Amino acid sequence: QSVLTQPPSVSGAPGQRVTISCTGSSSNIGAGYDVHWYQQLPGTAPKLLIYDNTNRPSGVPDRFSGSKSGTSASLAITGLQAEDEADYYCQSHDSSLSGVVFGGGTKLTVL
Amino acid sequence: QVQLVESGGGVVQPGRSLRLSCAASGFTFSNYAMHWVRQAPGKGLEWVAGISYDGNNKYYADSVKGRFTISGDNSKNTLYLQMNSLRAEDTATYYCARDLLAFRYSSGLDPWGQGTLVTVSS
Repeated sequence: QSVLTQPPSVSGAPGQRVTISCTGSSSNIGAGYDVHWYQQLPGTAPKLLIYDNTNRPSGVPDRFSGSKSGTSASLAITGLQAEDEADYYCQSHDSSLSGVVFGGGTKLTVL
Repeated sequence: QVQLVESGGGVVQPGRSLRLSCAASGFTFSNYAMHWVRQAPGKGLEWVAGISYDGNNKYYADSVKGRFTISGDNSKNTLYLQMNSLRAEDTATYYCARDLLAFRYSSGLDPWGQGTLVTVSS
């Protein structure tokens, strides 16, 4: 059971908007720790999509955006494309565990 | 360009030890926190261990605490993970990853290495 909770799967048609939620608690997201998001394409290493809740590293399209409120965070993907089909993970820090924590991952299917 | 290359994976018997290495290039190794993250076959990401940029602070997941040790060698630009008392549940691809921002800890992990597979089996 992951410390951060994500839906196992989401789906959307090309061009649509999807969101992926990441729910934590008062010892991680709710404590003010930043949330980061990763995309993992099949057979490859994860890639950082969003850091510090809302920031995109250089090269990440602005179709990807992040937000955070209270004990939760969300990743939004607009203008869905076939190449967005991948696993997505949220990550934060947990004070009770004194370590980095990941969500269980969400598989995005582009219909 | 910034690059991380892991090595040292393989097949090992339960109870034995293995040391993973991560060779870093393209950035000032001593300015960045580093991490090991693993992924069991068909499963999600699990953070294993992290070390602060100055090497003074080391953190471990409960699942490996007391068995694994993270360390870094600034003269060789290399990160290590010493894994002792290995168990079947340690079977996974192990990735090393750098903190995105210098002089911070857990600012987001980027880049990642390609991973090295560790299989614990008799």
